[in-house]
Amino acid sequence: AQSVTQPDIHITVSEGASLELRCNYSYGATPYLFWYVQSPGQGLQLLLKYFSGDTLVQGIKGFEAEFKRSQSSFNLRKPSVHWSDAAEYFCAVGSSGGSYIPTFGRGTSLIVHP
Amino acid sequence: DAMVIQNPRYQVTQFGKPVTLSCSQTLNHNVMYWYQQKSSQAPKLLFHYYDKDFNNEADTPDNFQSRRPNTSFCFLDIRSPGLGDAAMYLCATSRVLQETQYFGPGTRLLVL
Repeated sequence: AQSVTQPDIHITVSEGASLELRCNYSYGATPYLFWYVQSPGQGLQLLLKYFSGDTLVQGIKGFEAEFKRSQSSFNLRKPSVHWSDAAEYFCAVGSSGGSYIPTFGRGTSLIVHP
Repeated sequence: DAMVIQNPRYQVTQFGKPVTLSCSQTLNHNVMYWYQQKSSQAPKLLFHYYDKDFNNEADTPDNFQSRRPNTSFCFLDIRSPGLGDAAMYLCATSRVLQETQYFGPGTRLLVL
């Protein structure tokens, strides 16, 4: 079974600063990887996903993530954070080798200071 | 636009009074999920339907039931809500199990 770890519960950045949110996964084969964002009181919205191919994935709202097999990581990055990016971010890992529902990490809360 | 709709957005019920939450989708996806999310936690999967096949998570209380009368609609029934059931309930869909999930806006349940 797959598992995912988001080691940071909270991250605080200043508006305009760069951002990196960490995600580590455990899965025996090439995983399916997802990043979702959840604004307060809302559902989850997909930012980006990796299934195969180019390990640097571009998503919506200026986000990108890089799949690093050697480090079992799929960190989310943004070069310049906007106040509207303040939200909860969830990493999820799924299985390419079977019909398994993706497993969510516990989430990282992003706080943006003006 | 294709989407996942949840009604109501906010639901207040009394302790022990049955409540039903509704989800509909226009994506024509095979799979529909119900998640429970408490404050500052990850969504917790309660169950899912793959077409008409119902799949319950092992730790989902018997108090929670679900119905999927057709492809578009899925309902979450809480037979006797307790104070601990107050949470955000998220509905999601996907084409198949391992692919991208599309979430509705959620229903916030308050139990008095």
